[in-house]
Amino acid sequence: AQSVTQPDIHITVSEGASLELRCNYSYGATPYLFWYVQSPGQGLQLLLKYFSGDTLVQGIKGFEAEFKRSQSSFNLRKPSVHWSDAAEYFCAVGAPGGYNKLIFGAGTRLAVHP
Amino acid sequence: GAVVSQHPSRVICKSGTSVKIECRSLDFQATTMFWYRQFPKQSLMLMATSNEGSKATYEQGVEKDKFLINHASLTLSTLTVTSAHPEDSSFYICSAPPRTTSTDTQYFGPGTRLTVL
Repeated sequence: AQSVTQPDIHITVSEGASLELRCNYSYGATPYLFWYVQSPGQGLQLLLKYFSGDTLVQGIKGFEAEFKRSQSSFNLRKPSVHWSDAAEYFCAVGAPGGYNKLIFGAGTRLAVHP
Repeated sequence: GAVVSQHPSRVICKSGTSVKIECRSLDFQATTMFWYRQFPKQSLMLMATSNEGSKATYEQGVEKDKFLINHASLTLSTLTVTSAHPEDSSFYICSAPPRTTSTDTQYFGPGTRLTVL
């Protein structure tokens, strides 16, 4: 069965520091992988997605993620965190095809210290 | 980008009553919408897939008679929590992929927080 693991429930970083949020997945084939951000009062916003091709994916707001098949990982990174990045981040996996259902990880809450 | 709205954003009801939550795609049509449930500090759990013109598909363990889903049009899906109990208190989120997209893109609503007293 598909599953997504985000090992870090809560992470705190200083503004300007680099960030890496971990995500591991379990899936029989190459999945579609997503990172979403959830801010209070806002719907989930897609940061980036991986379907195929280049394993380093660039997203919005300066985020990037790298798909590593050998490690079943899709970690999210940002070189310099801004205070506005404080939010909940979810990694998700979906089966290839249109209108797929998403399986979400438990989420990582990011706090940013000034 | 595409917008999905939910109404109400917050609702408090008494145990035993029914509550209807609306999910609307404001600037696109969606033949499919998804309903998720999120408990505090937990992940989103897919409850059901709402299909325009046909019955909803429920995930394993979700009571279809308790969580009634109606996909009334290409821009509206409703989730009705019937005979609500305190354990139904949760954050309910819908999502919709535009029917015209060929990639797996979904847009999420802001969520509805249900509190059952």
